[in-house]
Amino acid sequence: NAGVTQTPKFRVLKTGQSMTLLCAQDMNHEYMYWYRQDPGMGLRLIHYSVGEGTTAKGEVPDGYNVSRLKKQNFLLGLESAAPSQTSVYFCASSDPSSVSSETQYFGPGTRLLVL
Amino acid sequence: LAKTTQPISMDSYEGQEVNITCSHNNIATNDYITWYQQFPSQGPRFIIQGYKTKVTNEVASLFIPADRKSSTLSLPRVSLSDTAVYYCLVGVSSGAGSYQLTFGKGTKLSVIP
Repeated sequence: NAGVTQTPKFRVLKTGQSMTLLCAQDMNHEYMYWYRQDPGMGLRLIHYSVGEGTTAKGEVPDGYNVSRLKKQNFLLGLESAAPSQTSVYFCASSDPSSVSSETQYFGPGTRLLVL
Repeated sequence: LAKTTQPISMDSYEGQEVNITCSHNNIATNDYITWYQQFPSQGPRFIIQGYKTKVTNEVASLFIPADRKSSTLSLPRVSLSDTAVYYCLVGVSSGAGSYQLTFGKGTKLSVIP
């Protein structure tokens, strides 16, 4: 049982390049989330999904797109990377059938540097 | 979105009890309060969750007053390994059965030998 995994662990992009971050969970959770964390800051929600085929915007969605084609996977895309998107990206998942869906399980993070 | 306010940092000596308070004035009726711990270069880890009064597990206790406008995470007898950032999380239902969650900026706890 790997929990939440993220691919890649680290990536360097040039401004204007595109890339996709992959998040996978093996806990059969319905909800999945993408956050970004900047130095000295807390986590900010980018997008989230409450089930396969559904996505919704979080606090800072601009410049990102997401897809949830399979229940276990949640993809975060950057169509045209900008230096302001340099950050650490965390994926999380949770089970809405629990008492509260706020119990989230986080992946190890992806460090992205945009030059 | 429910906003939370926490102290930016706290220092404590090993073996002491540490209390971290989080303010969440506009918490909704159905919201739970959850605390997470984050070590450098790692994702946050769930510590404890509560709705009202007091919750205790093997790691910490969570105290929530009757008005639920704040909560206090209590860590008994901290050790050096408790040095981390602690986040207070309050869930807000969007009305469609989903949640938009807001992390506080976190409290950086430094445990001193």
